[in-house]
Amino acid sequence: AIQMTQSPSSLSASVGDRVTITCRASQGIGNDLSWYQQKPGKAPTLLIYAASTLQSGVPSRFSGSGSGTDFTLTISSLQAEDFATYYCLQDNNYPWTFGQGTKVEIK
Amino acid sequence: EVQLVESGGGWVQPGGSLRLSCVASEFTFGTYWISWVRQAPKKGLEWVANINQDGSVEFYADSVKGRFTSSRDNAQKSLYLQMNSLRAEDTAVYYCARLGMAGTSNWFDPWGQGTLVTVSS
Repeated sequence: AIQMTQSPSSLSASVGDRVTITCRASQGIGNDLSWYQQKPGKAPTLLIYAASTLQSGVPSRFSGSGSGTDFTLTISSLQAEDFATYYCLQDNNYPWTFGQGTKVEIK
Repeated sequence: EVQLVESGGGWVQPGGSLRLSCVASEFTFGTYWISWVRQAPKKGLEWVANINQDGSVEFYADSVKGRFTSSRDNAQKSLYLQMNSLRAEDTAVYYCARLGMAGTSNWFDPWGQGTLVTVSS
């Protein structure tokens, strides 16, 4: 199975900060990667698909980049509502696998 | 609003069975792959299964293969997950999610609200 290594596992940041989360695949996955945001007690929601395509309705401060094995989710200016846990997912090969998550907390 | 609503979760003893349901609304259910994803308490997300539009193709995580079976009734806009031989490690919130597809890329959107399955003696 393809392993997705997400880093960091947690981070503390302030409103207005630029935040970067990375996912590394154990083998090349093209651009078959999506990013999700999950708030406590809620279902995840889609942010980015195909590595860099912003889902309709998602604020433009979110962006994704990368291909092959290395991927990045960037929040250009962190807002209060962005404090959550973020997951990447590879869908290139079965079994599909998620990263372990990155919890973004308030500094 | 496109929506998925799960039900059927609850408490079950190890070795028991449970059937989850997922009902869709406001989209043409029969034209989409649908997935199951689970999340153990305080843990990350785990992909469980995918089922294609007419239910003829299924994929499962190794952790549930041979124990879980997904099926669907497109006339009822419903997806099911039959879970047998349940283990304590199957305890999780189970989500259904619609699969978006473009080229070789796939993604989950939207997700249901989830239903909790607790396996314990």
